[in-house]
Amino acid sequence: EAQVTQNPRYLITVTGKKLTVTCSQNMNHEYMSWYRQDPGLGLRQIYYSMNVEVTDKGDVPEGYKVSRKEKRNFPLILESPSPNQTSLYFCASSSIAGAVWEQYFGPGTRLTVT
Amino acid sequence: AQKVTQAQTEISVVEKEDVTLDCVYETRDTTYYLFWYKQPPSGELVFLIRRNSFDEQNEISGRYSWNFQKSTSSFNFTITASQVVDSAVYFCALRAHNAGNNRKLIWGLGTSLAVNP
Repeated sequence: EAQVTQNPRYLITVTGKKLTVTCSQNMNHEYMSWYRQDPGLGLRQIYYSMNVEVTDKGDVPEGYKVSRKEKRNFPLILESPSPNQTSLYFCASSSIAGAVWEQYFGPGTRLTVT
Repeated sequence: AQKVTQAQTEISVVEKEDVTLDCVYETRDTTYYLFWYKQPPSGELVFLIRRNSFDEQNEISGRYSWNFQKSTSSFNFTITASQVVDSAVYFCALRAHNAGNNRKLIWGLGTSLAVNP
């Protein structure tokens, strides 16, 4: 089954404790992206990647890192989480073939930083 | 600049009523794609529809229908005979064709629909 998986689905952590949210897709997609969703702000892009070893900032990259060492994986790293990073996070992937670039979303990771 | 506006923050209806969720978009691109997603209380994003800018035909899928009007830059979503299971937040999103390498979606803030029994 074609899917994007994220782990963990729920995470409560404390300020300053490094964490990684994993994202993996099994569709051989080149493009992957991270969004965060906040009330009143909607979904905003954090980082994206066009392919292995190619990453770039989205609209709200501060406080986040990503890596793309393998095509299927695109982890989101919070080196020193702060309470303002409490949010619902979505990973998305897409093939870059064709014009549409349909995006497939993971189930979301609900992160709480205390 | 690109923007998506969903003016209705919350809508509450009684089951079996029809309801229309509004979406107005802004873009200077001539080719673009519009999307609707549903986010149920469980939190995942469920894809509902994609519409290309060059295809203005309206679409119906069961109780769902979409009205795309380029003249008013609107892509409205109607649920006919609403059901309690339709209760969710609905997002409208836009992506330009000529967005460079970053094919990010521009999202509206969502409309929270409550369908009451």
